[in-house]
Amino acid sequence: NAGVTQTPKFRILKIGQSMTLQCTQDMNHNYMYWYRQDPGMGLKLIYYSVGAGITDKGEVPNGYNVSRSTTEDFPLRLELAAPSQTSVYFCASSYGGEKLFFGSGTQLSVL
Amino acid sequence: AQSVTQLGSHVSVSEGALVLLRCNYSSSVPPYLFWYVQYPNQGLQLLLKYTTGATLVKGINGFEAEFKKSETSFHLTKPSAHMSDAAEYFCAVSDYTGGFKTIFGAGTRLFVKA
Repeated sequence: NAGVTQTPKFRILKIGQSMTLQCTQDMNHNYMYWYRQDPGMGLKLIYYSVGAGITDKGEVPNGYNVSRSTTEDFPLRLELAAPSQTSVYFCASSYGGEKLFFGSGTQLSVL
Repeated sequence: AQSVTQLGSHVSVSEGALVLLRCNYSSSVPPYLFWYVQYPNQGLQLLLKYTTGATLVKGINGFEAEFKKSETSFHLTKPSAHMSDAAEYFCAVSDYTGGFKTIFGAGTRLFVKA
């Protein structure tokens, strides 16, 4: 059972480039989330989804987009990368909004 | 909207001493409350959770937390610290009015001295 799988683990982007962080889960969870973690700031919710076809903004959505075409996948898109988006990104899933299962994270640097 | 405040970004205790990490939450309806732990260069894992029922919740590795509605608190304790407890701890809240999105506090880094 793989759980929550995130790719890539590391990425360096130039300012203005675009990329998609991939997230997939095999637990048939309805809820999926994207967080970013910055030192001393905890985890901030970027976007979340309560099921296929339904997404909603979290605390810090600006500069990001998401889609949820299937139960399993919840990709996060950065359209025009900025240095402020340098962070560690975590994808998570849950059943009914309870315990979160986290992926291993993506360390992103925008230079 | 839900929010979480963790008092103290850093806490230092001696090995064998009591661990107390403080968490206060804001929620307009009965919340779900969680404590997660993050070891260096790893993702987060659940220590314990409160949803309904008994207000004293026991988790893994000897940790426990008590839900106090009157104080809007969910403090994490462990009677005797071990070196392996050194990590960052996050309190989190979710409720149905927020679509069960989970909001985290800023975290408390626990240092354990030999």
